[in-house]
Amino acid sequence: QQQVKQSPQSLIVQKGGISIINCAYENTAFDYFPWYQQFPGKGPALLIAIRPDVSEKKEGRFTISFNKSAKQFSLHIMDSQPGDSATYFCAASTVRNAGNNRKLIWGLGTSLGVNP
Amino acid sequence: DAGVIQSPRHEVTEMGQEVTLRCKPISGHDYLFWYRQTMMRGLELLIYFNNNVPIDDSGMPEDRFSAKMPNASFSTLKIQPSEPRDSAVYFCASSRQGSGNTIYFGEGSWLTVV
Repeated sequence: QQQVKQSPQSLIVQKGGISIINCAYENTAFDYFPWYQQFPGKGPALLIAIRPDVSEKKEGRFTISFNKSAKQFSLHIMDSQPGDSATYFCAASTVRNAGNNRKLIWGLGTSLGVNP
Repeated sequence: DAGVIQSPRHEVTEMGQEVTLRCKPISGHDYLFWYRQTMMRGLELLIYFNNNVPIDDSGMPEDRFSAKMPNASFSTLKIQPSEPRDSAVYFCASSRQGSGNTIYFGEGSWLTVV
């Protein structure tokens, strides 16, 4: 049972364009939504994360938009660059009242290619 | 500061052989995770430890898989006997209580079982 659904599976954009990756979740108890970036041959690395008390978080060219009522969140990459070509994973978990639960539920990933 | 260190980086083994993957978490981190990554299933959490104690092993596929964490700086994931369907990239990751849920991954162990 996949609790976090990510789309699209792959995406190609032109340099300078906007890349948009979407995720939807089911569990309303989730209160932490990170995005991880993975380059070939490397492990995933945290890119940006959001809590449900805000609707948007921006770090440089990367923005998370969060829609609590729709149970959806998305990653926007502005002015996409060839160096952004990687696989992007969304994830979700509970942090508040988590005890020692540190289990992230992952999307299946989006392979992003940015053409020069 | 050194990141999560995994060994071996690449392993090719024959079906039926024992495979042992090793991990050194980031110093001071009290959570350690073992993940498996394949094209078909994405990232799967196999097991995680808190203060060297296994908390959730529900992702371990079957009895052929076992994981140990004898101390805060070392963990192993063992597959015995290995099968071709175990071919995947195995990631170790660690995190620290109080750092939110940020997880730091190693570079992975690429396992091929022939």
